[in-house]
Amino acid sequence: AQSVSQHNHHVILSEAASLELGCNYSYGGTVNLFWYVQYPGQHLQLLLKYFSGDPLVKGIKGFEAEFIKSKFSFNLRKPSVQWSDTAEYFCALGAAGNKLTFGGGTRVLVKP
Amino acid sequence: KAGVTQTPRYLIKTRGQQVTLSCSPISGHRSVSWYQQTPGQGLQFLFEYFSETQRNKGNFPGRFSGRQFSNSRSEMNVSTLELGDSALYLCASSLVASGGEQAHEQYFGPGTRLTVT
Repeated sequence: AQSVSQHNHHVILSEAASLELGCNYSYGGTVNLFWYVQYPGQHLQLLLKYFSGDPLVKGIKGFEAEFIKSKFSFNLRKPSVQWSDTAEYFCALGAAGNKLTFGGGTRVLVKP
Repeated sequence: KAGVTQTPRYLIKTRGQQVTLSCSPISGHRSVSWYQQTPGQGLQFLFEYFSETQRNKGNFPGRFSGRQFSNSRSEMNVSTLELGDSALYLCASSLVASGGEQAHEQYFGPGTRLTVT
C-alpha cells in the first residue's frame, strides 16, 4: 500500500520569508512524485513533478522540490514567498494505473 | 487548449437519490481519473479509465461507478446517495501512452460540488 504524509497542516509566514513544506511517502516500487497547489476558489494546479533523473526539480512560480530516496521525502521549497502564494499545497505519489495518492495538504497563509 | 471541464459545477440532491457527473478531458488525453475531496478525508482516488476500461479503483463502495466513452469523456454515477457523499468531485485527465504503467501528470478540472441533504 502507498501513503503520503504532510506533517505541517498549517503554515503562516510573512512575505519574503522562505518556505519549506515536508512530504514523506511510503511505497516499495518506482515512484512518481508531484506537488499540486490549490489557490482559493481555483482548481488544483500542478506545481512540479519528479519522474527520474536530477533529484532537484524546478517548477512554476519559483518553487522547487528535492527528492531524497533514502529519506522517502519530497520536500517543497520557495526561497521568498509572496502574498499570492497563499494556498493549499498537496504532495502526491503516483503509482501504476494513474492513481494518485495525496497527502493531507498544507494550508499556507502568507501575511503581507 | 481547453482545460478539463466538469458539469454541473454545483448539485444539490436528497438522500437516496442518484447522481451523474460528467467530465470532458483535455483534447488528446485518453486517461480520466476521478477523486473525491472532503475536509475530513482529503483527496481520495475513486477510479481511473483508459480507453473505455476501468484500470484502477479506489476503496469506495459499489454505489460509486463510472464509465468512459469512445471520445474519452467520462461520467461517474453515485446511487443511493448518503449524507457523507457530500464532497467536491474532481476529474483529472492525463496523456498516457497505451499500456503505460506509471502515473503521469494529471490536469484537474474545477470539480462538481455535490451537496446531499
